[in-house]
Amino acid sequence: ETGVTQSPTHLIKTRGQQVTLRCSSQSGHNTVSWYQQALGQGPQFIFQYYREEENGRGNFPPRFSGLQFPNYSSELNVNALELDDSALYLCASSLGGGGVSGNTIYFGEGSWLTVV
Amino acid sequence: DAKTTQPNSMESNEEEPVHLPCNHSTISGTDYIHWYRQLPSQGPEYVIHGLTSNVNNRMASLAIAEDRKSSTLILHRATLRDAAVYYCIHYSGAGSYQLTFGKGTKLSVIP
Repeated sequence: ETGVTQSPTHLIKTRGQQVTLRCSSQSGHNTVSWYQQALGQGPQFIFQYYREEENGRGNFPPRFSGLQFPNYSSELNVNALELDDSALYLCASSLGGGGVSGNTIYFGEGSWLTVV
Repeated sequence: DAKTTQPNSMESNEEEPVHLPCNHSTISGTDYIHWYRQLPSQGPEYVIHGLTSNVNNRMASLAIAEDRKSSTLILHRATLRDAAVYYCIHYSGAGSYQLTFGKGTKLSVIP
């Protein structure tokens, strides 16, 4: 148990639709990152939020967007869904925004998104 | 990109020790080495991390080479529950916690 919870656990969407995934970070953690994991691949960094601001982004198009709320929970929004967006979406929580290499990052169980 | 190299797969017999190697030749002096594992259909799970000296916790031990260009994760007695993909990662901690995952090592445990 990492204390990081994600919802929904599974969902199916149609190409072109929009989806919102939610994450509650571990208590006291002010930093949330999102990752996309395609089948058979390692997770890929989408972006990170620290104190409600995006402070890091991977190689993902603008239709991937996010929010962090004052309680540090977070949302990942994906617009104009494509078939290749089918993946496991992972949320990770940590402390400090990224200044300490020794800090541990805790992952949730993920949300499985299927786009048909 | 913070790059690591790991074998694609390894096998171990149950209750025997397992040594999972990782090369990280581009590591900088302040990067910690982290190991995560991912069981099927689950999110990655933190295993252990270290900077220079060897580290132990209830899950595993981490042996770090003197030049820090490689490390070895040691599971002292493999159990069936240890069958997973193991990822070795280092990140600078500067800017954001952007972890670069490779394909990891898929560990199979034979009963």
